[in-house]
Amino acid sequence: DSGVTQTPKHLITATGQRVTLRCSPRSGDLSVYWYQQSLDQGLQFLIQYYNGEERAKGNILERFSAQQFPDLHSELNLSSLELGDSALYFCASSVEQVPGNTIYFGEGSWLTVV
Amino acid sequence: GENVEQHPSTLSVQEGDSAVIKCTYSDSASNYFPWYKQELGKGPQLIIDIRSNVGEKKDQRIAVTLNKTAKHFSLHITETQPEDSAVYFCAASLTGNQFYFGTGTSLTVIP
Repeated sequence: DSGVTQTPKHLITATGQRVTLRCSPRSGDLSVYWYQQSLDQGLQFLIQYYNGEERAKGNILERFSAQQFPDLHSELNLSSLELGDSALYFCASSVEQVPGNTIYFGEGSWLTVV
Repeated sequence: GENVEQHPSTLSVQEGDSAVIKCTYSDSASNYFPWYKQELGKGPQLIIDIRSNVGEKKDQRIAVTLNKTAKHFSLHITETQPEDSAVYFCAASLTGNQFYFGTGTSLTVIP
């Protein structure tokens, strides 16, 4: 158990809908990362927050947004969902964002868009 | 930006044999290289990492080597066991903000 908690574990929704994925980082971790993993694909970096502020952005679609709250939990919002958004979404956390910093992954949220 | 390539994409070995997975990176400034193991339906789990000031690191049956000049690093698993079967990802990081992952290697250990 990495200590990173993600909810929900599984989610099935229809095209055009909006969902919110939630992540609680490890105790003491200030940095949160979101990754997308599609079937047979690697880990695609979406976005990173550090202590409430956005610090790095990857291949995140405009239909997707995220935020990190004062209690350090983070939410990833996915809107106008398309079939191609079906994937496993991972949250990871780390203490800081310095070089040589280790990140720890949660178990992921399986999103199926039908 | 950084580009990490990982080979092979699939690897099958007999139980007890060694497995080697190789990664190359493009940004010579990258200085941290973790390896993750992902079992089916689970999140990636850190198994070993190496920093750029070190050439080799071992942890029981797992070792990682880094060649900064050639910009490649490798994961070595000795005396493989069926429970080593999983997908393995390498990654490279410079700033701690972004981690660039390889495309993964599906390792199967045949009993």
